[in-house]
Amino acid sequence: GESVGLHLPTLSVQEGDNSIINCAYSNSASDYFIWYKQESGKGPQFIIDIRSNMDKRQGQRVTVLLNKTVKHLSLQIAATQPGDSAVYFCAETGGATNKLIFGTGTLLAVQP
Amino acid sequence: ETGVTQTPRHLVMGMTNKKSLKCEQHLGHNAMYWYKQSAKKPLELMFVYNFKEQTENNSVPSRFSPECPNSSHLFLHLHTLQPEDSALYLCASSQDRASGELFFGEGSRLTVL
Repeated sequence: GESVGLHLPTLSVQEGDNSIINCAYSNSASDYFIWYKQESGKGPQFIIDIRSNMDKRQGQRVTVLLNKTVKHLSLQIAATQPGDSAVYFCAETGGATNKLIFGTGTLLAVQP
Repeated sequence: ETGVTQTPRHLVMGMTNKKSLKCEQHLGHNAMYWYKQSAKKPLELMFVYNFKEQTENNSVPSRFSPECPNSSHLFLHLHTLQPEDSALYLCASSQDRASGELFFGEGSRLTVL
């Protein structure tokens, strides 16, 4: 069935380093992808999105890359800060049902 | 502050109790959602309302009963729950059902004894 999954459940990085969080999706009909950040005790927060007609989109310190050939999505965070520590979810939508499907999440731990 | 407020933030209830979760959004959105978040599982969509009409019920047991009196308010009525229903219940809103940009509340942490 359709699914969105993450390669690494936990990622530990040093403060100041760049972080890369990966996500695989299986529905080739998906045409819209979103990254959410969930800090401890809070609800998920929209970070950045990308449509399938693009392969890269940049925000402030974050970049999302989309590789439709291998159905892979990644979130890059530049100069990771302690405030970036959170669980990051990718989500996809599109196709016949237009349902937003979330992955299980990756915990990003930033070491000082 | 996301513009979506959930109350209560924490709730402990017995299996025979009746309680309700409340969600209010101040964003002028037309779509509202209930999600269930359990440990080590993806977010599970429960219900979707678009312009106060329920457009999706994701095979949720009848012990969960949603109510959407207007586009700004959403309730989740709980009755005879099971311990496995213990989870974080998240409310979200979006401009409309087609938008993938959801604005989430901080959730209601439910514990069923």
